[in-house]
Amino acid sequence: AQTVTQSQPEMSVQEAETVTLSCTYDTSESNYYLFWYKQPPSRQMILVIRQEAYKQQNATENRFSVNFQKAAKSFSLKISDSQLGDTAMYFCAFEGGNTGKLIFGQGTTLQVKP
Amino acid sequence: NAGVTQTPKFQVLKTGQSMTLQCAQDMNHNSMYWYRQDPGMGLRLIYYSASEGTTDKGEVPNGYNVSRLNKREFSLRLESAAPSQTSVYFCASRPGRTAYSSPLHFGNGTRLTVT
Repeated sequence: AQTVTQSQPEMSVQEAETVTLSCTYDTSESNYYLFWYKQPPSRQMILVIRQEAYKQQNATENRFSVNFQKAAKSFSLKISDSQLGDTAMYFCAFEGGNTGKLIFGQGTTLQVKP
Repeated sequence: NAGVTQTPKFQVLKTGQSMTLQCAQDMNHNSMYWYRQDPGMGLRLIYYSASEGTTDKGEVPNGYNVSRLNKREFSLRLESAAPSQTSVYFCASRPGRTAYSSPLHFGNGTRLTVT
């Protein structure tokens, strides 16, 4: 069975600094997708970034980038120039290529301090 | 464009009561999902519907039933609520059955408390 592990329950960072959130996963599939979702206090689930396993290039979206290490089954999220609005819970998620089921990690609460 | 709409936003039930959580999407999506979110456990899939007329169990289906009423609507029913079902419930949808089609679009959640 696929599993997703986020080993950092809570993290904090100073405004304008860089922070990296960790995520590891376990799967025997070769074709899959990885995601990072952001959940601010409003409870809304917002897609931050998406990575397809067959693409070797790491995905980036403005200040957000990932470090995808397929052999190590690691998928970390780097947030550059952190802003107060980045304060949220962040979820790593995995979906096997043909399963139709998205599996989430436990979440990491990130606080950006002024 | 409303996206995914969940009702109600908040609900308090007593043990043994029943209720139905409603979810509707106006994006003409084929696939719809119900998740529950608990502290320290992330989101867990309860049931999903890959297309109108089909439903399948997820990770934690016990104590729940679902109905895919039509392409727009996917409801979640608690027949006899238990305190262990206290949670935040999210409905989500996407065009196709897999992530290849699109990431999930989420509703804003329903906070359910069972006393």
